[in-house]
Amino acid sequence: DTEVTQTPKHLVMGMTNKKSLKCEQHMGHRAMYWYKQKAKKPPELMFVYSYEKLSINESVPSRFSPECPNSSLLNLHLHALQPEDSALYLCASSQAVFGRPSEQFFGPGTRLTVL
Amino acid sequence: DQQVKQNSPSLSVQEGRISILNCDYTNSMFDYFLWYKKYPAEGPTFLISISSIKDKNEDGRFTVFLNKSAKHLSLHIVPSQPGDSAVYFCAARGIQGAQKLVFGQGTRLTINP
Repeated sequence: DTEVTQTPKHLVMGMTNKKSLKCEQHMGHRAMYWYKQKAKKPPELMFVYSYEKLSINESVPSRFSPECPNSSLLNLHLHALQPEDSALYLCASSQAVFGRPSEQFFGPGTRLTVL
Repeated sequence: DQQVKQNSPSLSVQEGRISILNCDYTNSMFDYFLWYKKYPAEGPTFLISISSIKDKNEDGRFTVFLNKSAKHLSLHIVPSQPGDSAVYFCAARGIQGAQKLVFGQGTRLTINP
């Protein structure tokens, strides 16, 4: 299984809603990532989890709250978002050995629209 | 400060010919480079990578060349096929930020029949 899955595929939410994005991988990878991608822009790193611990937070606003319940799952909890947060949210995973390069495998993304 | 640059936003190539996509970087601490392909409404798909200790890596129709002195890499696709039409992202990894990839802006490749 070389797949990263993400649910839901599409999400529309109001600025007062609370919602969660889910990501799952069964490749035994110990690093998992959240990226945000706006139209015609490259993916921008938000968070990195390594061995279920948050290792990188790219100064993301607190209205985005990541969670890694176990080595296969990664969640992104959303609360009080702004319309400018509308984007494609991508999850990725990779082997997590520091210093040894490995490619990141991406999921299909969740298209988020904030009204 | 854009550390990874893809200066061509788009490229159009005839089917069967060679496609060459270019990428420049500024950070000499980058030690690993990757190319990803992205179709609309899908996540990026890993294509090929190269370590900074090499100058060429080949995988089927895809070859990546690295010129460290010029801080330049390129992706060659030979022969180009219609299914290669997609957005291609160059990405780089720094030694100090081992898990952090920096992406270029992407080049939209269109293969014409």
